[in-house]
Amino acid sequence: GESVGLHLPTLSVQEGDNSIINCAYSNSASDYFIWYKQESGKGPQFIIDIRSNMDKRQGQRVTVLLNKTVKHLSLQIAATQPGDSAVYFCAETPHGSARQLTFGSGTQLTVLP
Amino acid sequence: KAGVTQTPRYLIKTRGQQVTLSCSPISGHRSVSWYQQTPGQGLQFLFEYFSETQRNKGNFPGRFSGRQFSNSRSEMNVSTLELGDSALYLCASTSGGGTDTQYFGPGTRLTVL
Repeated sequence: GESVGLHLPTLSVQEGDNSIINCAYSNSASDYFIWYKQESGKGPQFIIDIRSNMDKRQGQRVTVLLNKTVKHLSLQIAATQPGDSAVYFCAETPHGSARQLTFGSGTQLTVLP
Repeated sequence: KAGVTQTPRYLIKTRGQQVTLSCSPISGHRSVSWYQQTPGQGLQFLFEYFSETQRNKGNFPGRFSGRQFSNSRSEMNVSTLELGDSALYLCASTSGGGTDTQYFGPGTRLTVL
């Protein structure tokens, strides 16, 4: 069936470095993609989203890149901070809005001092 | 504005029992979605309610049901609990429009013994 998966389950980066988290999706009908951050004991927190008519979108310290040709999504975090340590999920939907999301398996980001 | 609230936060039940979980969306939000999160299956969509009507449903057995009230508060029910139902159950709300961010609650941790 259709699924969204992540390339790496864990990622460790030095504080101050940039982080790149990757995600592959298989539903070609997906038109809306979201990155979430989940800290221990909390629900997922929205980071940034992108629609299929865009290739790149920037937020505060974060950038999402979408490559529809190879069905690949990435999240770039600039100047990674200790507070960025969390599990990051990509999610996708063909509905054009944030409902009935299919989530990836998650990447554990650890920021080293 | 208060965030999404879920009650109870923790719950312990035994096999065969039933359970009801509650979710209060952000004020003004009319769409409520439920997700199940487990280490093995990750985050999986259960169902979405909008204006008291189920709008989307995931691939879960009929033991999982939900409803939404006129004030947009939602409940989900799981009957005849199984050990595999142990999970974090997350509720998320949006205003229901096409360009909304989905906000998650902290979840209810259900343990089935």
